[in-house]
Amino acid sequence: GAVVSQHPSRVICKSGTSVKIECRSLDFQATTMFWYRQFPKQSLMLMATSNEGSKATYEQGVEKDKFLINHASLTLSTLTVTSAHPEDSSFYICSVWTDDSYEQYFGPGTRLTVT
Amino acid sequence: QQQVKQSPQSLIVQKGGISIINCAYENTAFDYFPWYQQFPGKGPALLIAIRPDVSEKKEGRFTISFNKSAKQFSLHIMDSQPGDSATYFCAASMHQGAQKLVFGQGTRLTINP
Repeated sequence: GAVVSQHPSRVICKSGTSVKIECRSLDFQATTMFWYRQFPKQSLMLMATSNEGSKATYEQGVEKDKFLINHASLTLSTLTVTSAHPEDSSFYICSVWTDDSYEQYFGPGTRLTVT
Repeated sequence: QQQVKQSPQSLIVQKGGISIINCAYENTAFDYFPWYQQFPGKGPALLIAIRPDVSEKKEGRFTISFNKSAKQFSLHIMDSQPGDSATYFCAASMHQGAQKLVFGQGTRLTINP
């Protein structure tokens, strides 16, 4: 399957600052990537679908001005949490979709803590 | 109609036993059903997946059983091992293009040695 990396794996930031999380597809050119968030002991919640070269599609209830997604290349998508607040503290996970097998492969996740 | 309901929420099985996790869906347009395994602090890993044209798929100790008429599918882990202790998520999607996965609520599996 596809190998996906995320950077950083953990980040602590102060309230009001912005944080950028990178998602890279290491061995596959991904036209579509997905961003999820996961609260402790809960399931994954899809935030947005990221398409290379076009605007991301956000799920209902997800603020697009707060969670900025950029998919500038076939191997890189970034999620920027702007003006972060403690309630944004969560586990953020990206995935890549492979059009040859219709499977999604997930990155290792980024733990964001906003103090 | 987009929901996937997963049960049980938690499961304890003795080493060597069979672990069974069940999922049910409503949307008949779903035609791709993967299972993911997640360890604490890690991203989910694709375990096994099935399409509705078959009723069962087996890979090693992991088997998916699929009942299209009942709109249910389940994961069986044979000869469960302590290393299988993790959270398992079922999911569903439509495989036309890059479709969103709808996840179940997750099952925390503990295998006692």
